[in-house]
Amino acid sequence: EIVMTQSPATLSVSPGERATLSCRASQSLSSNLAWYQQKPGQAPRLLIYGASTRATGIPARFSGSGSGTEFTLTISSLQSEDFAVYYCQQYNNWPPRYTFGQGTKLEIK
Amino acid sequence: QITLKESGPTLVKPTQTLTLTCTFSGFSLSTSGVGVGWIRQPPGKALEWLALIYWDDDKRYSPSLKSRLTITKDTSKNRVVFTMTNMDPVDTATYYCAHEPYGSDAFDIWGQGTMVTVSS
Repeated sequence: EIVMTQSPATLSVSPGERATLSCRASQSLSSNLAWYQQKPGQAPRLLIYGASTRATGIPARFSGSGSGTEFTLTISSLQSEDFAVYYCQQYNNWPPRYTFGQGTKLEIK
Repeated sequence: QITLKESGPTLVKPTQTLTLTCTFSGFSLSTSGVGVGWIRQPPGKALEWLALIYWDDDKRYSPSLKSRLTITKDTSKNRVVFTMTNMDPVDTATYYCAHEPYGSDAFDIWGQGTMVTVSS
């Protein structure tokens, strides 16, 4: 079973600054990694898939990188609307399953 | 424009079976590569993937819950039905259905979610 570990659990950053969120897999994933943003009371929103491809309508300040077991979501210049919880999600071919990380809460410093 | 909406009971008793329906528009589950999945989120906790059904009726289940889950589709009515047997209070959560486009291995459009409470 693949375990996804996100760090840090909480990240405090000032608006306009850069935020870097990490996701580590217990086994190599190739590039089957996605990132989601979730605000209170809302459904998750897909940001990144395939480790580095932005989903439709996602601003360029969001970028994803990494492969294998180490992945990063970077938000280049934080806007007020970016403060939320972020989840990574992996897809494993066999046994076929999706696994989410435990989330990183991005809060205003 | 793709939309999905979950419907079903808000309260179920322990040991009962939960049946949820995802009604969608803007795509067809007969289109090659498309899938619809179910994901849940207990209050204040992380997301957990449950099940997924593909356009060709291929079905995938969470290994830890597989014995309790069933997912089916009605392509003509644009619906996906999800059942979970032997409900327990720990299954209290918001249940989401979501669209998986071909080749993405991710869920790009989500329903609003439906909160299900398990209590006697």
